[in-house]
Amino acid sequence: GAVVSQHPSWVICKSGTSVKIECRSLDFQATTMFWYRQFPKQSLMLMATSNEGSKATYEQGVEKDKFLINHASLTLSTLTVTSAHPEDSSFYICSARGLAGPTEYQETQYFGPGTRLLVL
Amino acid sequence: DAKTTQPNSMESNEEEPVHLPCNHSTISGTDYIHWYRQLPSQGPEYVIHGLTSNVNNRMASLAIAEDRKSSTLILHRATLRDAAVYYCILRDVYYGGSQGNLIFGKGTKLSVKP
Repeated sequence: GAVVSQHPSWVICKSGTSVKIECRSLDFQATTMFWYRQFPKQSLMLMATSNEGSKATYEQGVEKDKFLINHASLTLSTLTVTSAHPEDSSFYICSARGLAGPTEYQETQYFGPGTRLLVL
Repeated sequence: DAKTTQPNSMESNEEEPVHLPCNHSTISGTDYIHWYRQLPSQGPEYVIHGLTSNVNNRMASLAIAEDRKSSTLILHRATLRDAAVYYCILRDVYYGGSQGNLIFGKGTKLSVKP
């Protein structure tokens, strides 16, 4: 099956610093990548959607200047949490949508393993 | 967005079949029914999807009602590893723009007893 990787898997940082999270589709080209956030015991919340070479589209209530998304290629997207604060501590999950195999006729969305961020 | 309704939680015994229901009475003709599951501390995992006909793959089966207003995810023999939150999500087949985004509800938390 299709594989989406994230790096790092967890990060602890001091308040006020910036943290970059990488998301890669390892064996397929992603036409669209997504970033979700999940707080404890809650469901995933979509933060933003991005296409390669285009500006990301952010969901309502998500600060685009705080959560910078760069979609550099069809296999790589990065999320930078700028000036992180304790309330940004969460589980960040990326997702990539594409055709993951020669027999697929419709794009499927695959998820990375998540990055746990703790801001002290 | 078309919405789905799932039970908050279900229990199953190991090695028994599990039927996870999902209601989607406002489904449109172009909505696919997707199922994902999320194991603790992991990202969601694709399980199966379908439009009108029942679907089978190595992980599960998806039974879709004739009127498409409900569906059931079937795990044929539950294992301890199947304990997860299962999400039933509708996604427009014309996935350009925000219509194609997967929006997660609360899902069903499945517990599997040995």
